[in-house]
Amino acid sequence: LAKTTQPISMDSYEGQEVNITCSHNNIATNDYITWYQQFPSQGPRFIIQGYKTKVTNEVASLFIPADRKSSTLSLPRVSLSDTAVYYCLVGGRLDTGRRALTFGSGTRLQVQP
Amino acid sequence: EAGVVQSPRYKIIEKKQPVAFWCNPISGHNTLYWYLQNLGQGPELLIRYENEEAVDDSQLPKDRFSAERLKGVDSTLKIQPAELGDSAVYLCASSSGGRDEQFFGPGTRLTVL
Repeated sequence: LAKTTQPISMDSYEGQEVNITCSHNNIATNDYITWYQQFPSQGPRFIIQGYKTKVTNEVASLFIPADRKSSTLSLPRVSLSDTAVYYCLVGGRLDTGRRALTFGSGTRLQVQP
Repeated sequence: EAGVVQSPRYKIIEKKQPVAFWCNPISGHNTLYWYLQNLGQGPELLIRYENEEAVDDSQLPKDRFSAERLKGVDSTLKIQPAELGDSAVYLCASSSGGRDEQFFGPGTRLTVL
């Protein structure tokens, strides 16, 4: 299984850029990297997905180096409403050939005014 | 468009009792997931369905947990008998493909006394 490692928590202030890195050394060749956001008492919500290099959407950017053993979620100009837990998700191929989906431990982002 | 629907939202039972959770995915989504989330941790995949077929149930404790997805639409997850350690939030998600964005329901919070 592909195991992921993220910082347990991060603190920031409104208006700053926040970068959260996820380590996934055992990522499979054809697996994608996906980031989710979760607020208390809600299910996770999709933020962004990528395979390599850089992906950008209206809320975030995802940077993936050539070796794909890590990825960085970048949130530009965070606000108080970005306070949440952020999860890195990758797929790992089991010996039997079936795919397993693994969430990371999550990074708790606290944005201060 | 309606999101993923789960019921009940909350369930309190005594240990050794059976319990069932129901999930109705987004219309047209052929992939359905059941996750377990303990407090302060990321979701852990229990089972993944592609239509009616359980393609990944390696993490499902089959001695007490069972799931079904008849007709490839809604799904039921059952625990029998429940143990104290089963207290957690059970999340259902659906997607239109193996790597596509997963849409999560609000979850069912189970408390086993």
